[in-house]
Amino acid sequence: ELKVEQNPLFLSMQEGKNYTIYCNYSTTSDRLYWYRQDPGKSLESLFVLLSNGAVKQEGRLMASLDTKARLSTLHITAAVHDLSATYFCAVVGETSGSRLTFGEGTQLTVNP
Amino acid sequence: DTAVSQTPKYLVTQMGNDKSIKCEQNLGHDTMYWYKQDSKKFLKIMFSYNNKELIINETVPNRFSPKSPDKAHLNLHINSLELGDSAVYFCASSRLKRTSGDYNEQFFGPGTRLTVL
Repeated sequence: ELKVEQNPLFLSMQEGKNYTIYCNYSTTSDRLYWYRQDPGKSLESLFVLLSNGAVKQEGRLMASLDTKARLSTLHITAAVHDLSATYFCAVVGETSGSRLTFGEGTQLTVNP
Repeated sequence: DTAVSQTPKYLVTQMGNDKSIKCEQNLGHDTMYWYKQDSKKFLKIMFSYNNKELIINETVPNRFSPKSPDKAHLNLHINSLELGDSAVYFCASSRLKRTSGDYNEQFFGPGTRLTVL
């Protein structure tokens, strides 16, 4: 059974600082997604990572994938308050068809 | 031009009642999903339909019955509601098979917050 673990689960950081969220998964994966969820809102797709070494960047967020280590990272550069949200990684296992297995989510709070 | 829509957005009801949540997508996708997000924000898939055929059916009480009248709609009916059913239910859609430029991303609806009293 595919398991997906994120850490940290809670992250409080100051504006201007850098930090990384980690996503580990237990079996070989076909693809990995990062989603953002604001309080009381839906999930917004941020990145899709398909292959080993894939790196995607959008603004202050950069996601990478190491399929050999079964690890993805979401790096935050010079955080701003608007980045406060919950971030989820989600994995499709090679034999899972279209089934998405989500991590527990990382609740990020950026303080002024 | 909402991509994935759900109704209602909020649903407050008494234990034992029966209720339905509706979902519609206008993205031309062939696969739709129901997810449950609990109070700790954990998201778990419940069901998935591809072209009106059930393809994922997780361990969910049989009080929950999905219905897909066509590939653009997926409804969720819940019988005999219990306190533990209180959660946010998200509908999502995607293409099942990857095509050029399509990464099978799942697009989520706004969610339905169900509160059972």
